[in-house]
Amino acid sequence: AQSVTQLDSQVPVFEEAPVELRCNYSSSVSVYLFWYVQYPNQGLQLLLKYLSGSTLVESINGFEAEFNKSQTSFHLRKPSVHISDTAEYFCAVTLGGYQKVTFGTGTKLQVIP
Amino acid sequence: GAVVSQHPSRVICKSGTSVKIECRSLDFQATTMFWYRQFPKKSLMLMATSNEGSKATYEQGVEKDKFLINHASLTLSTLTVTSAHPEDSSFYICSASSRDGSYEQYFGPGTRLTVT
Repeated sequence: AQSVTQLDSQVPVFEEAPVELRCNYSSSVSVYLFWYVQYPNQGLQLLLKYLSGSTLVESINGFEAEFNKSQTSFHLRKPSVHISDTAEYFCAVTLGGYQKVTFGTGTKLQVIP
Repeated sequence: GAVVSQHPSRVICKSGTSVKIECRSLDFQATTMFWYRQFPKKSLMLMATSNEGSKATYEQGVEKDKFLINHASLTLSTLTVTSAHPEDSSFYICSASSRDGSYEQYFGPGTRLTVT
């Protein structure tokens, strides 16, 4: 079975500062990795995903994540955060499109003006 | 992109009554849908996997007689919380996998259930 660990439950950061949200996974087989964002009282929105190919994946709003197989990590980064990035971020893994998604416990990003 | 809707977005019901939540894939066919429950300040916990035309597969610890799931068509799955109690109050989110092999699950906006 696969598992996901997000060690940081909350990450406060000043506006325009860089941020890294950590995600480590455990699986005996290859997995597909995702980052989802959840704004208050809303559902989840896909931020970015790694399926295969380049280990660095980017989102349209400036976030990027790098798949590191040797360290079993998929950390999320942004070089300069904005107030609107305040939300909860979930790292997730799945074995395939029809398989269940296993979520981490989430990291609440708080951007301080 | 693929859109998944949920109805209702919020529902308040009295203890002992049943409530039905609908999950629809609006522009794609979903052979598999998933139902999650999110407790306050917690992650999403998978409740069950629903395949069109067959019985749902429930995760360990989820009462199948309390949380009835029906996946009658390729675009609709329903979750019925029977004889609801205050401890069933939660945020319920569904997701759907399309057939396009994108390995992505598309999530609905969620339903906030409050049982009084």
